[in-house]
Amino acid sequence: QQQVKQSPQSLIVQKGGISIINCAYENTAFDYFPWYQQFPGKGPALLIAIRPDVSEKKEGRFTISFNKSAKQFSLHIMDSQPGDSATYFCAASKGQAGTALIFGKGTTLSVSS
Amino acid sequence: DGGITQSPKYLFRKEGQNVTLSCEQNLNHDAMYWYRQDPGQGLRLIYYSQIVNDFQKGDIAEGYSVSREKKESFPLTVTSAQKNPTAFYLCASRKVSTDTQYFGPGTRLTVL
Repeated sequence: QQQVKQSPQSLIVQKGGISIINCAYENTAFDYFPWYQQFPGKGPALLIAIRPDVSEKKEGRFTISFNKSAKQFSLHIMDSQPGDSATYFCAASKGQAGTALIFGKGTTLSVSS
Repeated sequence: DGGITQSPKYLFRKEGQNVTLSCEQNLNHDAMYWYRQDPGQGLRLIYYSQIVNDFQKGDIAEGYSVSREKKESFPLTVTSAQKNPTAFYLCASRKVSTDTQYFGPGTRLTVL
């Protein structure tokens, strides 16, 4: 049972373009939705996160859009750069302290120069 | 220099041997986690611990064991019962009063 579904599996974007990665979740008890960025051979690093009380959060070139009724959230990377080439994971968790994150399967982004 | 350390970075094991992966954090975080990463599978939870001397199974705990004797340390043992142990193992930690989960650099285990 996959509780967080992520798409697409891979994405190729030209430099300067917009990268969009989508995630859908099933459990309405989830109330924390982070995105992680991972470079080959490294551990994931938190990129940006959102809670369901807001529909959008922006940090620099990265924006999360959240649709509570559709149980979907997405990551938008504006002005994509070759340095953004990495694997991106969405995740979700319930509000209880210390609860583990449930991850999507990841999207490999390649930004061509 | 604060953070999460995992050792070793690369580990090779023969079939039938148990092996222990180290995870240490000096962030004073309460909760610690172990994930397994396989290509195209995302991160899957093996075990997690919210306090010392207590831990819970994750989705794929079979063939693994953990201990949490100190707040700073959460070692993972991959036993010979684990059918397909070759993978990238990630340790993470979190202060329970916050949301952010931090990851270590990972250990790549290869069974020969």
